[in-house]
Amino acid sequence: EAGVVQSPRYKIIEKKQPVAFWCNPISGHNTLYWYLQNLGQGPELLIRYENEEAVDDSQLPKDRFSAERLKGVDSTLKIQPAELGDSAVYLCASSSDSGMGNTIYFGEGSWLTVV
Amino acid sequence: GNSVTQMEGPVTLSEEAFLTINCTYTATGYPSLFWYVQYPGEGLQLLLKATKADDKGSNKGFEATYRKETTSFHLEKGSVQVSDSAVYFCASKMDTGRRALTFGSGTRLQVQP
Repeated sequence: EAGVVQSPRYKIIEKKQPVAFWCNPISGHNTLYWYLQNLGQGPELLIRYENEEAVDDSQLPKDRFSAERLKGVDSTLKIQPAELGDSAVYLCASSSDSGMGNTIYFGEGSWLTVV
Repeated sequence: GNSVTQMEGPVTLSEEAFLTINCTYTATGYPSLFWYVQYPGEGLQLLLKATKADDKGSNKGFEATYRKETTSFHLEKGSVQVSDSAVYFCASKMDTGRRALTFGSGTRLQVQP
């Protein structure tokens, strides 16, 4: 069974440019997460989807970040315009649902460098 | 709010040494607790988990016991190998509110031959 798939794996852009990350969760997983991981730190939640609904986007900087999961399957996270401080790893994860003990599976991440 | 605190690294050990990585949590209620591992150049992988007090999670020789009285979930391994070199993250998750993993800052383990 395929795991969580993310692309691109690596991206280098100039500041003020837009960038988009794509995620395909494990088949059948209703819950999808986007996390931000800064160097040397633990991941922090940006947004959580239950099917196509964004049920927790309180940590998403909405002035420059947006996300969508239109058909309740794959998802896109966009940054426009990017800033130097956005350089980080963007992790996508999924689980069958958001029940407390359910395992959350992570993709390999999209590494963003803003120059 | 919920938070997780784990010991700072790096932790440097010789092969076959005993490993302990401390993790404590704060939460309004009783979360599920997890240890994830991140090998160099790879994504986060679940190592083990425990969903209620006194549960012991185990995998690949690693163990952690959910201690409600000390709000802890320390990771242990009796004999580490060079291949265990990685970053280890402790995390908690509630069934209410955010319903997403809250991570500690990670502990880098370096095992020398």
